[in-house]
Amino acid sequence: EIQLLESGGGLVQPGGSLRLSCAASGFTFSNYAMGWVRQAPGRGLDWVSSIRNSGANTYYADSVMGRFTISRDNSKNTVSLLMNGLRAEDTAIYFCAKYLECSSNCYRAFDIWGQGTLVTVSS
Amino acid sequence: QSALTQPASVSGSPGQSITISCTGTSRDVGGYDYVSWYQQHPGKAPKLIIYDVNSRPSGVSNRFSGSKSGNTASLTISGLQAEDEGDYYCTSFTGSRTLYVFGTGTKVTVL
Repeated sequence: EIQLLESGGGLVQPGGSLRLSCAASGFTFSNYAMGWVRQAPGRGLDWVSSIRNSGANTYYADSVMGRFTISRDNSKNTVSLLMNGLRAEDTAIYFCAKYLECSSNCYRAFDIWGQGTLVTVSS
Repeated sequence: QSALTQPASVSGSPGQSITISCTGTSRDVGGYDYVSWYQQHPGKAPKLIIYDVNSRPSGVSNRFSGSKSGNTASLTISGLQAEDEGDYYCTSFTGSRTLYVFGTGTKVTVL
């Protein structure tokens, strides 16, 4: 069974840092691009960041560019999101998600999602 | 990159068909055939129901169908059922450094 399990969420003060991790199982992790999507309380889905299967290419939403860093370890089947300079507006559930297989495009759609981890930024 | 525009809510009676629109620009929806749709029930993770404009993942009901015309994509739910209640989001690949954009979301209510 394909699974994604996020960890690392919690309460952090404004300006602080947090590192989210996502452990993948049930598929050949190194073959797929991965991403993070967040959802603020009562709000819609918001794409945060994505990374190519090799890790060679990374992409970020304008709202997190320069503050968040996505990375992956294909030997450990994990993808991480390092979040610095956190703001109140970063408060959200953060979902780790797997992309469909690469065909004409490696970033077509997220077919598998984790259950999410809650990040709360507050003093 | 601005969010794609969806109606805030759509409703229908059991058995009816409803359509949710998703309007973007030529830089996203209109420029690529990589529109996808997600269903989300309260407190749950999103579920992929349509990808590549009109393809369904294995296990997704054929009551869900997608299409696109110009800068607007659409999701149609036929034979509406109570279990279809929830929030629906469209997304599109953008080909830019901000790779991906979500729609504003639509709440579907079965009357």
